Amino acid sequence: EDQVTQSPEALRLQEGESSSLNCSYTVSGLRGLFWYRQDPGKGPEFLFTLYSAGEEKEKERLKATLTKKESFLHITAPKPEDSATYLCAVQALEGGSTLGRLYFGRGTQLTVWP
Amino acid sequence: NAGVMQNPRHLVRRRGQEARLRCSPMKGHSHVYWYRQLPEEGLKFMVYLQKENIIDESGMPKERFSAEFPKEGPSILRIQQVVRGDSAAYFCASSLIVGEKLFFGSGTQLSVL
Repeated sequence: EDQVTQSPEALRLQEGESSSLNCSYTVSGLRGLFWYRQDPGKGPEFLFTLYSAGEEKEKERLKATLTKKESFLHITAPKPEDSATYLCAVQALEGGSTLGRLYFGRGTQLTVWP
Repeated sequence: NAGVMQNPRHLVRRRGQEARLRCSPMKGHSHVYWYRQLPEEGLKFMVYLQKENIIDESGMPKERFSAEFPKEGPSILRIQQVVRGDSAAYFCASSLIVGEKLFFGSGTQLSVL
């Protein structure tokens, strides 16, 4: 069965302390890997999509990278407003009617304190 | 554009009752997806629909659960004869193109007493 594992489960950083979140996946063929941010009581908010190994995407203090078996979400000089749960999801290269299905990890709960 | 709208935000049902969750996709989006988030678990895919068609329902429990996306009106996720194990947050998402990024609503928190 396809699986997505995120680590760590929880991460506490001091403001300005850079770090990385990990997402490892096992899927027969990867069509896309997605990163989302989820705040308490809200739905996931899209951040990035990565499609091939070596690809990188950046947005403000966040940078996502992709290898053949894992993805990293790098957070540079985080601020308290970056506190949220970060979710990783993969889309398998099954094609056809299954294109709409994403497999999500359990997320990393990030807390950034001043 | 108001984004993906879900209602109600909170729904309380007693065991054996029916729950109806509604989702209006983003304007122009014809692809709708339902996900369930149980406590301490990740989001789990339930069903993918286009207007008037169920495309992929592989994540739906075989009994008591059904979904529709009529030509007019919102998508409906219906749970008959709810049990306590159905308590969860149910999220709807939509996309412009199938397989591309999903836009999620704020979810419906279902509590079964």
